[in-house]
Amino acid sequence: DVKVTQSSRYLVKRTGEKVFLECVQDMDHENMFWYRQDPGLGLRLIYFSYDVKMKEKGDIPEGYSVSREKKERFSLILESASTNQTSMYLCAILRRGDRLNGYTFGSGTRLTVV
Amino acid sequence: GEDVEQSLFLSVREGDSSVINCTYTDSSSTYLYWYKQEPGAGLQLLTYIFSNMDMKQDQRLTVLLNKKDKHLSLRIADTQTGDSAIYFCAESHTDKLIFGTGTRLQVFP
Repeated sequence: DVKVTQSSRYLVKRTGEKVFLECVQDMDHENMFWYRQDPGLGLRLIYFSYDVKMKEKGDIPEGYSVSREKKERFSLILESASTNQTSMYLCAILRRGDRLNGYTFGSGTRLTVV
Repeated sequence: GEDVEQSLFLSVREGDSSVINCTYTDSSSTYLYWYKQEPGAGLQLLTYIFSNMDMKQDQRLTVLLNKKDKHLSLRIADTQTGDSAIYFCAESHTDKLIFGTGTRLQVFP
């Protein structure tokens, strides 16, 4: 089974803190994605990566950055956390060109910024 | 830009059929998907349909695609309490999927 592991299920951070959300996959898939999920807004794409050291902005990149130094790991960074970044964060992976099987998702990290 | 819309809530009685609807704007979509999210979990792929198909059936699930109207639906026959979840439709014509807002299905006895 494909595994997508997000390091924390729940996180509570203070306003202004630097926050790292980690996503690790064990299937050697090229594409990795970070979404945030908010009630009534669905999933919104923050950043994605097609390969190591490559990154592309999604629809809502402001306030976030990413790092992909190794193929299996895609990190989402909140440079200075704010309360409006309280959300559920979901990581997803996709083998390049294999849209038949869709994304595989991690279990999500629920982040609360106080 | 691309947009995918769903109604936010649906409530059905156990044993009835549920129909969850979705509209999308991108006429070049090649794959359309239905995902299920149970409480506290990530999204799980339920089924997909290729854009040159009208219908796909998989046990209790039936997907209908009206490409002319850009309308996708998911029918769940004999809905059970375990079907209570949020259902997302998604479309793609690249490796980037565009998701709808999600429909929360509540099944009551």
